[in-house]
Amino acid sequence: GEDVEQSLFLSVREGDSSVINCTYTDSSSTYLYWYKQEPGAGLQLLTYIFSNMDMKQDQRLTVLLNKKDKHLSLRIADTQTGDSAIYFCALGGGFKTIFGAGTRLFVKA
Amino acid sequence: DGGITQSPKYLFRKEGQNVTLSCEQNLNHDAMYWYRQDPGQGLRLIYYSQIVNDFQKGDIAEGYSVSREKKESFPLTVTSAQKNPTAFYLCASTDLDRGDFYGYTFGSGTRLTVV
Repeated sequence: GEDVEQSLFLSVREGDSSVINCTYTDSSSTYLYWYKQEPGAGLQLLTYIFSNMDMKQDQRLTVLLNKKDKHLSLRIADTQTGDSAIYFCALGGGFKTIFGAGTRLFVKA
Repeated sequence: DGGITQSPKYLFRKEGQNVTLSCEQNLNHDAMYWYRQDPGQGLRLIYYSQIVNDFQKGDIAEGYSVSREKKESFPLTVTSAQKNPTAFYLCASTDLDRGDFYGYTFGSGTRLTVV
């Protein structure tokens, strides 16, 4: 079945850029998503990209999709302490959505 | 504001006891879902419902039950048959009228602990 992998931890200094990576096995998904989870809360949809796009930019967020390598990344520019959270990569949609295990981002002041 | 409300935020269950987690949405979404989250793991689908009075098992339905009597409500019961219920439970919904886009709206979760 589909497998979505993410590294579990990332630590950056405040003001630096963060890059969170995700690799997947099934390339049939139309939508690929990034969700953010703050401590003790539910997931919040941050952004998404269509499978026919290579890049999407939304303010401080840049999503890159490399379909050949089955690699999705989320870049956060000028990372702030408020960006500390768990970031989930997800593929598919509805009940077919497959989530990665999440990357915990630590932002050091 | 529209959203999903989960209650309670924290729940303690004794061995052999059934407990019910509440999920209510006022987004007019057709589809609702229950996920379980364990530390260091992705979300795992327990049950989902795309229409009132109908629901389907997800990947880890054993020991759980649901009902969908109203569009707004999708309660989850954790039965005594679920041997390891301690986890964070998330309810979500999607708008099936938005074509292929099935991004979720999530509730704030219920943390269930067995005591």
